[in-house]
Amino acid sequence: AQSVTQLDSQVPVFEEAPVELRCNYSSSVSVYLFWYVQYPNQGLQLLLKYLSGSTLVKGINGFEAEFNKSQTSFHLRKPSVHISDTAEYFCAVRGSYGGATNKLIFGTGTLLAVQP
Amino acid sequence: NAGVTQTPKFQVLKTGQSMTLQCAQDMNHEYMSWYRQDPGMGLRLIHYSVGAGITDQGEVPNGYNVSRSTTEDFPLRLLSAAPSQTSVYFCASSYSPGATTDTQYFGPGTRLTVL
Repeated sequence: AQSVTQLDSQVPVFEEAPVELRCNYSSSVSVYLFWYVQYPNQGLQLLLKYLSGSTLVKGINGFEAEFNKSQTSFHLRKPSVHISDTAEYFCAVRGSYGGATNKLIFGTGTLLAVQP
Repeated sequence: NAGVTQTPKFQVLKTGQSMTLQCAQDMNHEYMSWYRQDPGMGLRLIHYSVGAGITDQGEVPNGYNVSRSTTEDFPLRLLSAAPSQTSVYFCASSYSPGATTDTQYFGPGTRLTVL
């Protein structure tokens, strides 16, 4: 079984500052990793995903994440945030084996609060 | 495409009432699922379906029923609402149930309060 830990429930940051949202996972099998973003009063949308290949993954809105297998981490970063990045960010993991029973497991979310 | 749509957006129920949350998608996705989102708990899977006529339980199925008579629709039924079911409910869909690389597309959510 897989699990995801997002250690920070809330990350306050000033506009134009860099930010890192942390995500650690545990799994006994190879995994695929995802970051979703949820803007206020909206559903979730995919920010980026790691499937294989380069460990540095670039997503939408200038975000990127780095897969670190030895540290079982998939931290999300942005070099300069904007007020519009204020949202809740969810890390998710899924085993790389096929089958409908292979669920997407979500972390508890990190609220990114960008202040002017 | 409208994507994934959910109705209603908001609902208030009294304990013991029943209701159905509607979910529809126009992307011809095989896989559909229902999640609930509670503060500090992330999203938890309630039920899912890998195609018309096939459903299965997720992590927190108690108190909920689903059916999938068409590819497009996946309603979630609350049989006898309880305050513990106060939550935000999200429906999601993706192309193939077995494709682990699939992106899940989420609806805008239904905010349910049970008094």
